[in-house]
Amino acid sequence: AQTVTQSQPEMSVQEAETVTLSCTYDTSENNYYLFWYKQPPSRQMILVIRQEAYKQQNATENRFSVNFQKAAKSFSLKISDSQLGDTAMYFCAFMKRYSGGGADGLTFGKGTHLIIQP
Amino acid sequence: NAGVTQTPKFQVLKTGQSMTLQCAQDMNHEYMSWYRQDPGMGLRLIHYSVGAGITDQGEVPNGYNVSRSTTEDFPLRLLSAAPSQTSVYFCASSSNSRQGAGYYGYTFGSGTRLTVV
Repeated sequence: AQTVTQSQPEMSVQEAETVTLSCTYDTSENNYYLFWYKQPPSRQMILVIRQEAYKQQNATENRFSVNFQKAAKSFSLKISDSQLGDTAMYFCAFMKRYSGGGADGLTFGKGTHLIIQP
Repeated sequence: NAGVTQTPKFQVLKTGQSMTLQCAQDMNHEYMSWYRQDPGMGLRLIHYSVGAGITDQGEVPNGYNVSRSTTEDFPLRLLSAAPSQTSVYFCASSSNSRQGAGYYGYTFGSGTRLTVV
């Protein structure tokens, strides 16, 4: 079984600052995906960024980037030029990747509540 | 394209009542799953399915049943509701990770807030 740990229950930064959210995971699998999901007050789960474990290059999506350290089992999310609309819960998630292309469910961390102050 | 549709959005049940949370997707996704979200606990996997006729248990399956008779629908059944099942429930779907330019992860519905009194 996999576990995902987010050690920061809440973070607060000023608008336009850069913020990094931490995530560590524990697994015996070698092939897997990692994700960051955003959940604003609307409750909708929104995929922010994904990383395939077999790719060494860190994923980036506009202002969002990750620092993926496979050996350390660490997967942090960096948000640059933070905006008020980035205020939300952020969840780190793990999913095993099957060789035949299959997928099972996601294992989530408990989340980090990020507050962007004006 | 509606994506993943969950109904109802809100529901109040009495202890012992039964109900079905509906989930439908129109993206022809093979994989579907149900999660519950409780305060301070993140989302936890209840059941998942890799295709019509195939389901499996997740982390917290007790008290819930599922079936997958079609690709589009994946209902979650509570046979005898208990106050411990008060939660927000999310359904999600995903394509086969072999397809397309890469694997894009699960798409979530907007959730059902269930209260059992």
